[in-house]
Amino acid sequence: QQQVKQSPQSLIVQKGGISIINCAYENTAFDYFPWYQQFPGKGPALLIAIRPDVSEKKEGRFTISFNKSAKQFSLHIMDSQPGDSATYFCASAFYNQGGKLIFGQGTELSVKP
Amino acid sequence: DTEVTQTPKHLVMGMTNKKSLKCEQHMGHRAMYWYKQKAKKPPELMFVYSYEKLSINESVPSRFSPECPNSSLLNLHLHALQPEDSALYLCASSQSLAGGQETQYFGPGTRLLVL
Repeated sequence: QQQVKQSPQSLIVQKGGISIINCAYENTAFDYFPWYQQFPGKGPALLIAIRPDVSEKKEGRFTISFNKSAKQFSLHIMDSQPGDSATYFCASAFYNQGGKLIFGQGTELSVKP
Repeated sequence: DTEVTQTPKHLVMGMTNKKSLKCEQHMGHRAMYWYKQKAKKPPELMFVYSYEKLSINESVPSRFSPECPNSSLLNLHLHALQPEDSALYLCASSQSLAGGQETQYFGPGTRLLVL
């Protein structure tokens, strides 16, 4: 019930294309959904996060779409660039029970020039 | 400034050694975390400190011993580790554990190799 399933495991996109990574969760009590970006040898960096009271959040080229009824959320990277090549992790957490992020398994994104 | 610093960057230790990992943040955050990350896997939570008190221990073996000497510092003491403990050890911090303040900011990690 606390799993977060992330797909695909790896993704190759051409420069300028749209990268889409999907996550599905089971526990309807989750109410905080961040995405992290991690470059090799570095720690994860928060990219964008959403709460279930909104269906979409956009920051620059990055957009989270959230479907509460389907218990799914996704990250869209518009105009993908080679510098976006990294591993992306979605995560879920319970509001006001901070401390425990439930991570997806990660997606390795490669953007080809 | 959302910087969490960790030292050392790399550490090689034998199974009988004792070593410590250090983490520091100056964002005024009152929650700090230790994670372990294996290659091509997500971070796994080990410990959470809130207001310098241990809040969560994810059943971590006693050869890992956390310490929070003040609100800015977090240590992880290592003793009698096994080769399978080799991993990237990540520190993170957040404003607190309260709803709306739980965004975690990660440090660059310490790459640990146990021989």
